[in-house]
Amino acid sequence: ETGVTQSPTHLIKTRGQQVTLRCSSQSGHNTVSWYQQALGQGPQFIFQYYREEENGRGNFPPRFSGLQFPNYSSELNVNALELDDSALYLCASSSPGQGAHGYTFGSGTRLTVV
Amino acid sequence: ELKVEQNPLFLSMQEGKNYTIYCNYSTTSDRLYWYRQDPGKSLESLFVLLSNGAVKQEGRLMASLDTKARLSTLHITAAVHDLSATYFCALSQVGGSQGNLIFGKGTKLSVKP
Repeated sequence: ETGVTQSPTHLIKTRGQQVTLRCSSQSGHNTVSWYQQALGQGPQFIFQYYREEENGRGNFPPRFSGLQFPNYSSELNVNALELDDSALYLCASSSPGQGAHGYTFGSGTRLTVV
Repeated sequence: ELKVEQNPLFLSMQEGKNYTIYCNYSTTSDRLYWYRQDPGKSLESLFVLLSNGAVKQEGRLMASLDTKARLSTLHITAAVHDLSATYFCALSQVGGSQGNLIFGKGTKLSVKP
C-alpha cells in the first residue's frame, strides 16, 4: 500500500505568478481534499474532488482551482499568487466510508511567495 | 457554521506529568478526529471518535467524546519528550462534503525533562 505523495516539497514563487501542486492519492482512494495551512494555524479546507468532479469547496477565491485525473491523482492550481498564499498545502485522500477511519494526509508542499 | 476551539494553545509539561487538551465545537458533528503534527511535517491520524461516550486509547494518549457537551478531550498520561508536537482536533460538518474537515488552531505541546 502506497501513501499519499505530494510534489514538489518546497517551492518559491513571485507574487503574481501561477503555481501547480501535485498529489498522488493512496492506492484505492478516489476522493482527494486539499488544505492550506498557514504558519501557526490549523489546516483550512480548500476543496474536494470525487471521481474527477469538484465535490465541496471552502472559502477560497476562484483563483484556487483543481483537477482530479482518472488515476485519482490531483492538482491544485493557484493563479495570481499573493503573499498571503505562502503556506503548507496538504492533500488528503480517502475512499468511500474510509472517513470513519480517518484521512491519509500527504507530507505537504511548502509554498513561499515573495 | 461549525467552529472548533482548542485550549490551551500552548502547553509546556514536565516529563511524567498528566494533562488534558480540550476541544469544544459549536454545532452537531458526526465524527471527531485527533491529529498529531511534528514541525514541518504532515498530519498523523491518532483517533477517530464516532459516537457519544466514545473513548479510545493508544499508549499514553486517551481521547474521549461527549456529544451532548460538544466536547472532546485528549488526555496525556506520564508525558515523555517524544510526545512533543502540535495536536489538532477536527470535525466533519453534518451534510458537508466528506473531506471538509474543520480544524482547531492546534495545541503546541512541549514536554521537558
